[in-house]
Amino acid sequence: NAGVTQTPKFQVLKTGQSMTLQCAQDMNHEYMSWYRQDPGMGLRLIHYSVGAGITDQGEVPNGYNVSRSTTEDFPLRLLSAAPSQTSVYFCASSVTPGLLYGYTFGSGTRLTVV
Amino acid sequence: KQEVTQIPAALSVPEGENLVLNCSFTDSAIYNLQWFRQDPGKGLTSLLLIQSSQREQTSGRLNASLDKSSGRSTLYIAASQPGDSATYLCAPAGGTSYGKLTFGQGTILTVHP
Repeated sequence: NAGVTQTPKFQVLKTGQSMTLQCAQDMNHEYMSWYRQDPGMGLRLIHYSVGAGITDQGEVPNGYNVSRSTTEDFPLRLLSAAPSQTSVYFCASSVTPGLLYGYTFGSGTRLTVV
Repeated sequence: KQEVTQIPAALSVPEGENLVLNCSFTDSAIYNLQWFRQDPGKGLTSLLLIQSSQREQTSGRLNASLDKSSGRSTLYIAASQPGDSATYLCAPAGGTSYGKLTFGQGTILTVHP
């Protein structure tokens, strides 16, 4: 049981490049979400999904796209990377939107945009 | 919008002390509250989950309480150890945010041998 797996662990991008951060869970969780963690700002919700085919915006969605074609996967796409997107990104999942069970977090992707 | 405050921001104590970390939140219509631990450069590890109907939850040397009506939760760590050194985050879920987590800034705990 791997839990929530994020790849890559580290990435350096040049301004304007695009990339996809991968998140996969093997717990059959319906709810998945992406957070970014910045010093002094805490963890902030980017996008979330309550099931396959359903996504919605969180607190800081600009510059990011998501899709949810399967229950297991929830990739985060940076369309045109900017230095402001330098951050640590965490993916989290839960059986339901955190109502009865807690959230499980991945180990994070540390992204630097130069 | 849910806002979460954690006090103190940092805490440095000698080994063996009993500790209390505080968390307050503005929207009391939550479903539950989760405490996490984060080691430097690592992900979040869930410590305790308290449902809105519960008053407290215990796991080993950790005890978390919840006073939903007053918007407060405390994490009590008994007989602290150097291995407890980490950042502790509280995150209520629910209310107008329907199940989404809102995080505080965290308490950075250092336990000296």
